[in-house]
Amino acid sequence: EAGVAQSPRYKIIEKRQSVAFWCNPISGHATLYWYQQILGQGPKLLIQFQNNGVVDDSQLPKDRFSAERLKGVDSTLKIQPAKLEDSAVYLCASNQPGLAVTDTQYFGPGTRLTVL
Amino acid sequence: AQSVTQPDIHITVSEGASLELRCNYSYGATPYLFWYVQSPGQGLQLLLKYFSGDTLVQGIKGFEAEFKRSQSSFNLRKPSVHWSDAAEYFCAVGSGNTGKLIFGQGTTLQVKP
Repeated sequence: EAGVAQSPRYKIIEKRQSVAFWCNPISGHATLYWYQQILGQGPKLLIQFQNNGVVDDSQLPKDRFSAERLKGVDSTLKIQPAKLEDSAVYLCASNQPGLAVTDTQYFGPGTRLTVL
Repeated sequence: AQSVTQPDIHITVSEGASLELRCNYSYGATPYLFWYVQSPGQGLQLLLKYFSGDTLVQGIKGFEAEFKRSQSSFNLRKPSVHWSDAAEYFCAVGSGNTGKLIFGQGTTLQVKP
């Protein structure tokens, strides 16, 4: 079974530029999560989707971050414009069926973003 | 509010020695607790989880963890560490409503030959 796929693996941009990350969850997984992991910290949930609906986006900085999961499968996370403090690893995770905490989340390798 | 504290940012142990990584949680109801491991350049991998029942849970790679409600702790242990165990370890508590995970800040494990 293929795991959670993310691309790109690394991205370097200047501040105020925009950037997008892509995630393809494990086939059949209804729930998809985006986490932000700043160096020296644990992952922090940015947004959670159930199919193509948003379950929790309470910690997503909506003035600059956006995410979509239009067909309930893959997802894109965008930052526009980027700030220095957005430098982090962005992790995508998925599980099935998803809303129960007992459902194991499977994580992708992450995208490491550096904002200069 | 739910929170997780991992008091040790960095731990060094000799290969073959025993290991204990500490985790304390704050949660109003029955906690759902997890330990994940993250190797350099890799995503997080689940080591073990506790939901209910026996307070000593066994995981992969020879790890185990013990839930102690009275101490609000869920410490991870391994009797004999291998060099390949060098990684970052995260404790997390799960929300029963949405499946959301709240992570501690992590403990970096270094293994000396």
